[in-house]
Amino acid sequence: SQQGEEDPQALSIQEGENATMNCSYKTSINNLQWYRQNSGRGLVHLILIRSNEREKHSGRLRVTLDTSKKSSSLLITASRAADTASYFCATAPAERISSGSARQLTFGSGTQLTVLP
Amino acid sequence: KAGVTQTPRYLIKTRGQQVTLSCSPISGHRSVSWYQQTPGQGLQFLFEYFSETQRNKGNFPGRFSGRQFSNSRSEMNVSTLELGDSALYLCASSLAPDRALYYEQYFGPGTRLTVT
Repeated sequence: SQQGEEDPQALSIQEGENATMNCSYKTSINNLQWYRQNSGRGLVHLILIRSNEREKHSGRLRVTLDTSKKSSSLLITASRAADTASYFCATAPAERISSGSARQLTFGSGTQLTVLP
Repeated sequence: KAGVTQTPRYLIKTRGQQVTLSCSPISGHRSVSWYQQTPGQGLQFLFEYFSETQRNKGNFPGRFSGRQFSNSRSEMNVSTLELGDSALYLCASSLAPDRALYYEQYFGPGTRLTVT
C-alpha cells in the first residue's frame, strides 16, 4: 500500500518557473527520499533528507521536511524542459536497522511534472 | 562504474506461464531490492536480498520469489502468471551495510512484463 500521498498529481509550468511538489506520509520515518522517473524508466535518486533535518539543498533542488506534520516538499527552481518527469517521495521506516526493514522504501503516488518550453 | 542492469528489458508472457527476471547490481553493492510498478498500485516493494539472504519481504503472494547469488546478482521469479502481474519490475541496489542508517538506492531501467 502507498505510504505517501503526493500533491498535486500533475503540474504543468513554463520553463524558468519554479515547481513545488508536496508529499505526506503516515508513519514515523528514518529518512525521506525523492526520486525522478522519466517516462516508465528506472528511478533516479535526487536527494535524501534525514528525520532530524529540516531542509536540504542540492543544485536547483530544495527539500523541506516537517516531521510534526508528516510532510515534505520538493522545490525545483528555474525549471527546464528536461525536468519533465514523474517525481516520487519515498520513506524509510523508523525501525531498528538490524530488522532490515529500514531498507524497505515506501513510495508515494507521484507527481507528473511537465515543463513547457 | 556501470549502473544497475536488468534483463530482459521487455517480456511478453501468457497467463499461467512463469517468468524469471535478472538484475545485476552496481559493483560492490550487496543489497538488491525488487519493486513492482503498476498504474493502479504505484510502486510496491517486493523483497530485498542481502548477502544471498532474503532480509525483507513485501505483501505479495508466494508466486513471487527471488534469490541472490554469491556475486550479488539477483533473480526474481513469478510463477503461474496472471494478467494483473503486467507491470514494470524495478531492481535497486545499495551498499546498505548491516548497520547503515542512511542509504541511497540505485535503480535499474526495469523489465516491462506484459501478460496476455
